[in-house]
Amino acid sequence: KNQVEQSPQSLIILEGKNCTLQCNYTVSPFSNLRWYKQDTGRGPVSLTIMTFSENTKSNGRYTATLDADTKQSSLHITASQLSDSASYICVVRSLTGANNLFFGTGTRLTVIP
Amino acid sequence: NAGVTQTPKFQVLKTGQSMTLQCAQDMNHNSMYWYRQDPGMGLRLIYYSASEGTTDKGEVPNGYNVSRLNKREFSLRLESAAPSQTSVYFCASIAGIAYEQYFGPGTRLTVT
Repeated sequence: KNQVEQSPQSLIILEGKNCTLQCNYTVSPFSNLRWYKQDTGRGPVSLTIMTFSENTKSNGRYTATLDADTKQSSLHITASQLSDSASYICVVRSLTGANNLFFGTGTRLTVIP
Repeated sequence: NAGVTQTPKFQVLKTGQSMTLQCAQDMNHNSMYWYRQDPGMGLRLIYYSASEGTTDKGEVPNGYNVSRLNKREFSLRLESAAPSQTSVYFCASIAGIAYEQYFGPGTRLTVT
């Protein structure tokens, strides 16, 4: 069964600290994996996309990693800011099927001053 | 470009009432989607439209109907609202199979 699991469910960190969010998936065959940021009361916005051949990709203070062998991805946030407070959603696309997007339940990050 | 727009932003219904949630995109995307988001459950697909003129059920279609009015617009209708349909509803669109989904701002629906 195609599933996407994220951990932790929620996280509270001090401003300026780093954190890492995890995404494990069983989706097969794998096409790509996206990390989305969802601010409170808004729709999700894409942060980065990882394809099978990519191990690491950065977008400013956000760095995503992908291990396609173990089917794990992480999102590392460096020098956190108050504006990083949001939910982060991992979405994995399968190569097959008309409905081929699988969503994690998200990690709720709160950055406190 | 406005991206993906949704109306209304908030709505309160009584059980049994009907309503239509509107969604429009100005990015010339082929595929459009309706999701609901509930605490602890993430985004769940209600219906999607791979292209103009086609619609398909997603994971949780019961109690909903959709219309792909044209390439730009995709509406979601609740014929007889139930408290279990209290949720935040998101519309999304995508240019093609490997591209990013663009989400609307959401509609917060409460059914009493």
